[in-house]
Amino acid sequence: DAKTTQPTSMDCAEGRAANLPCNHSTISGNEYVYWYRQIHSQGPQYIIHGLKNNETNEMASLIITEDRKSSTLILPHATLRDTAVYYCIVRGAWAGNNRKLIWGLGTSLAVNP
Amino acid sequence: ETGVTQTPRHLVMGMTNKKSLKCEQHLGHNAMYWYKQSAKKPLELMFVYSLEERVENNSVPSRFSPECPNSSHLFLHLHTLQPEDSALYLCASSHSGTSGHNEQFFGPGTRLTVL
Repeated sequence: DAKTTQPTSMDCAEGRAANLPCNHSTISGNEYVYWYRQIHSQGPQYIIHGLKNNETNEMASLIITEDRKSSTLILPHATLRDTAVYYCIVRGAWAGNNRKLIWGLGTSLAVNP
Repeated sequence: ETGVTQTPRHLVMGMTNKKSLKCEQHLGHNAMYWYKQSAKKPLELMFVYSLEERVENNSVPSRFSPECPNSSHLFLHLHTLQPEDSALYLCASSHSGTSGHNEQFFGPGTRLTVL
């Protein structure tokens, strides 16, 4: 199963862009990259996913390098409510008809006023 | 609100007790998951049910017993637990199938303390 590497923690000023990096150098050609976040005392929340192309939705943008060995999650205008642990995940082996998500320890993002 | 509810939110039990955790999803999904989240450790997948059939048992001790009576409900029956089983237990659901991605929706979790 592909593994991911993320910084343990990051800080960001409120209103500025937060850029969260992730390395996934062992990713294989058909594996997606997913991002989830977990706000304190809540379950994880899906943010975005991608395969090769850059993706954008109402929450964030995902930039994937051409060799697919790394990606960056961008929160364009971070708010205090974006303070959370952010997980970069690559789908792993099959469990029935579902691909398992391989979780790491994530990046603890603190958005400061 | 994610459409996935878990009860109870907090549970304290002794090592000889028997208790059950309940999860319910209102999203029309047909795959459900139990995860364990311990302090300073990654989320650990415990069980996966797809179309009400258990398709994954990730080397979980037999003192944890899952049950999926239908596609909307998932239980985790607990008995003779150990203090190291204290953790946040998370339930998730998703669509099942090989096409598309299986975005998982999580409940708020049950904080379990074993004394």
